[in-house]
Amino acid sequence: TQLLEQSPQFLSIQEGENLTVYCNSSSVFSSLQWYRQEPGEGPVLLVTVVTGGEVKKLKRLTFQFGDARKDSSLHITAAQPGDTGLYLCAGARGSGSRLTFGEGTQLTVNP
Amino acid sequence: GAVVSQHPSWVICKSGTSVKIECRSLDFQATTMFWYRQFPKQSLMLMATSNEGSKATYEQGVEKDKFLINHASLTLSTLTVTSAHPEDSSFYICSATGTSGSGEQYFGPGTRLTVT
Repeated sequence: TQLLEQSPQFLSIQEGENLTVYCNSSSVFSSLQWYRQEPGEGPVLLVTVVTGGEVKKLKRLTFQFGDARKDSSLHITAAQPGDTGLYLCAGARGSGSRLTFGEGTQLTVNP
Repeated sequence: GAVVSQHPSWVICKSGTSVKIECRSLDFQATTMFWYRQFPKQSLMLMATSNEGSKATYEQGVEKDKFLINHASLTLSTLTVTSAHPEDSSFYICSATGTSGSGEQYFGPGTRLTVT
């Protein structure tokens, strides 16, 4: 079973703080995606990482793919209330294959 | 690009009736579409994988006769919840893969089903 453990599950912080979300697995993925979902809506793709050790930045969000392509992290700098949402990591093993989702991290940024 | 739509966005039906949910890829051809179910504040649970022109592959524990999936074209897949019961009430989301080869899935906005 391809498990993807995501932590923490819940995170409530104050505006301006930094945070990191982790996704870990014992399996290798060909790519890993990070999604953000708001209540009543579908997940929106934030980034895809493909290469081991890859680091991608999206404004205040930094995504890293582990060297062995088994784990990934999402770091948010100076969080804002607009960052509130459910963050999901998902690993893929090839194009068109099913995604293995982490349990999700419910982030609340308080003003 | 890579827009996926779902219809309806929400539906209320009576117990025992059937409900059809449509998933469309608007600006790309999707050879594979996926159907998920999601409970409040939880992650997505894959129900089935749908390939155009072939039978859907259902995940363990998902009743294929209750959740009928049809993928008749490269831009449309449908999920029919047959003989719906209150426990089928949930948020159903579809996704589709493009042709980038990276495994990215693009999600629809979801359909909120309430069975009374």
